[in-house]
Amino acid sequence: DGGITQSPKYLFRKEGQNVTLSCEQNLNHDAMYWYRQDPGQGLRLIYYSQIVNDFQKGDIAEGYSVSREKKESFPLTVTSAQKNPTAFYLCASSTDRSNQPQHFGDGTRLSIL
Amino acid sequence: AQSVTQLDSQVPVFEEAPVELRCNYSSSVSVYLFWYVQYPNQGLQLLLKYLSGSTLVKGINGFEAEFNKSQTSFHLRKPSVHISDTAEYFCAVSVYNQGGKLIFGQGTELSVKP
Repeated sequence: DGGITQSPKYLFRKEGQNVTLSCEQNLNHDAMYWYRQDPGQGLRLIYYSQIVNDFQKGDIAEGYSVSREKKESFPLTVTSAQKNPTAFYLCASSTDRSNQPQHFGDGTRLSIL
Repeated sequence: AQSVTQLDSQVPVFEEAPVELRCNYSSSVSVYLFWYVQYPNQGLQLLLKYLSGSTLVKGINGFEAEFNKSQTSFHLRKPSVHISDTAEYFCAVSVYNQGGKLIFGQGTELSVKP
């Protein structure tokens, strides 16, 4: 079945450490997105990519980095510059047409040790 | 700029009662509208979408939504809820001809009590 796979489901970060969240899709979608979800704040866009080797900052990109070397993959790195990384992170993909929905993975919950 | 407002952050309701989750949007251009559901510790799942045509849209799990252009609203309804409908619901819009980027509301937590 086609879908989006996020791994790991739970991740712990030590102070000063960078961690990378994986997102893979086999839907042949052009666009991929990363969101951060905090209680009561809905979804906030971190980065998105509409095509391989290109990506744009979203609303809260500071302290995060991404790459898009392959169509299927869009990993997110939470750097040590992100001072409050504890959150639920969601990856999504779409055909990048405005009349088509985004499809979501099951998320990664990141916590600070 | 576009924005989405979900008017209720929490909606408690008894099982088998009807429910309406309210969503208003602001946009000077045409938009497409979506409702998603999120169960605890999971991703978002598409409930329904409005693209064009009939203003009453039917989705999965017995939900429906009505697009009202004059009131810029897209309220979600279900005539009789079940315990299993307990979840968070998100309204979202995308702007016509501007790619697949979505603007989300803050979410409404639906709590169905026995």
